[in-house]
Amino acid sequence: NAGVTQTPKFQVLKTGQSMTLQCAQDMNHNSMYWYRQDPGMGLRLIYYSASEGTTDKGEVPNGYNVSRLNKREFSLRLESAAPSQTSVYFCASSEALQWEQYFGPGTRLTVT
Amino acid sequence: TQLLEQSPQFLSIQEGENLTVYCNSSSVFSSLQWYRQEPGEGPVLLVTVVTGGEVKKLKRLTFQFGDARKDSSLHITAAQPGDTGLYLCAGGWSNDYKLSFGAGTTVTVRA
Repeated sequence: NAGVTQTPKFQVLKTGQSMTLQCAQDMNHNSMYWYRQDPGMGLRLIYYSASEGTTDKGEVPNGYNVSRLNKREFSLRLESAAPSQTSVYFCASSEALQWEQYFGPGTRLTVT
Repeated sequence: TQLLEQSPQFLSIQEGENLTVYCNSSSVFSSLQWYRQEPGEGPVLLVTVVTGGEVKKLKRLTFQFGDARKDSSLHITAAQPGDTGLYLCAGGWSNDYKLSFGAGTTVTVRA
């Protein structure tokens, strides 16, 4: 089992460019999450999906959109990247009504 | 504003010493989790505590959930270089099972 996979691992964008971060899990989990991690800020929830077909905003959703493509895949899109979106992005998944979240290895995004 | 405050922010100790990391909040949580994160990787769960006053031990690591379910501590006995990493606490609520993370404590254990 690969667990949670994320692509790409690194990305550099110019201000105004768009991109999609991909996430897939092979654990048959219902819930999936997108976080960003900034120095001194911990992990902040951007969007989450409690089950296939549903998505909800987290703490910092502005500038992002998500798609729960199927049970396995949850993508995060930046329509017009800004330097403030420079961060490390983590995808996570969990079973329904369970506390433990399993994290991917992260995508380090730099916006210049 | 961080809902969960972790202290200290950085901790550097010699191999064999003991250390304690704290996680405090004014909010009551249904559960409190501790994760460890190594450079270039995602966080990995160490423990989940759900009962006020609960103490869990994982080898040399001892985790405690406060009686009022607002705070927690992580104690490491006889620290080893392999304990080096970023330790994150996360509080959750049973209405939606979302987590709120603290900013983390960076622990360095010198050989």
